[in-house]
Amino acid sequence: DSGVTQTPKHLITATGQRVTLRCSPRSGDLSVYWYQQSLDQGLQFLIQYYNGEERAKGNILERFSAQQFPDLHSELNLSSLELGDSALYFCASSSGEKLYSGNTIYFGEGSWLTVV
Amino acid sequence: SQQGEEDPQALSIQEGENATMNCSYKTSINNLQWYRQNSGRGLVHLILIRSNEREKHSGRLRVTLDTSKKSSSLLITASRAADTASYFCATAHFKTIFGAGTRLFVKA
Repeated sequence: DSGVTQTPKHLITATGQRVTLRCSPRSGDLSVYWYQQSLDQGLQFLIQYYNGEERAKGNILERFSAQQFPDLHSELNLSSLELGDSALYFCASSSGEKLYSGNTIYFGEGSWLTVV
Repeated sequence: SQQGEEDPQALSIQEGENATMNCSYKTSINNLQWYRQNSGRGLVHLILIRSNEREKHSGRLRVTLDTSKKSSSLLITASRAADTASYFCATAHFKTIFGAGTRLFVKA
């Protein structure tokens, strides 16, 4: 158990809909990362937050947004869903703001999103 | 484009054999990490090697880093069926970038 909790584990929704994925980082971790993993794109970095502020942005679509709340939990909002958004979405956390110091990233078990 | 790229994409070996996976990257790094992912599960951190280190061991794992060639290798010795998983390298500079992974299948 990594200590990172993601909900829901599975969800199925229709195209055009909006969903929210939730993540609770490990106790004490200030950084939260979101990744998308699909069969054809591999593991894609979406966005990182540190102590409530956006720190790094990756291949995140404009239809997607994220935030980190004062209690450090994070949410990833996916809107106007398309079939191609079907993927496994991971949240991860680490203690540091950056990885220069070699902070390990701890992954949750992921949220399976199926868009039909 | 991906910062880290693993090679081979897939590897199938017999239990007891050694498995070697390679990772190449493009820009300078502060450290490189290897992760393992069982099918449909989260990634699990295996080992981290810093840019000033050349080799590191952890149990049956041996990682090497050649910064001049911008490459790293992960060796799993005496593989077991339970080692069947995907293995990713992740390079850390401004943000962590994962490669596409090597899918290892260990036959019992």
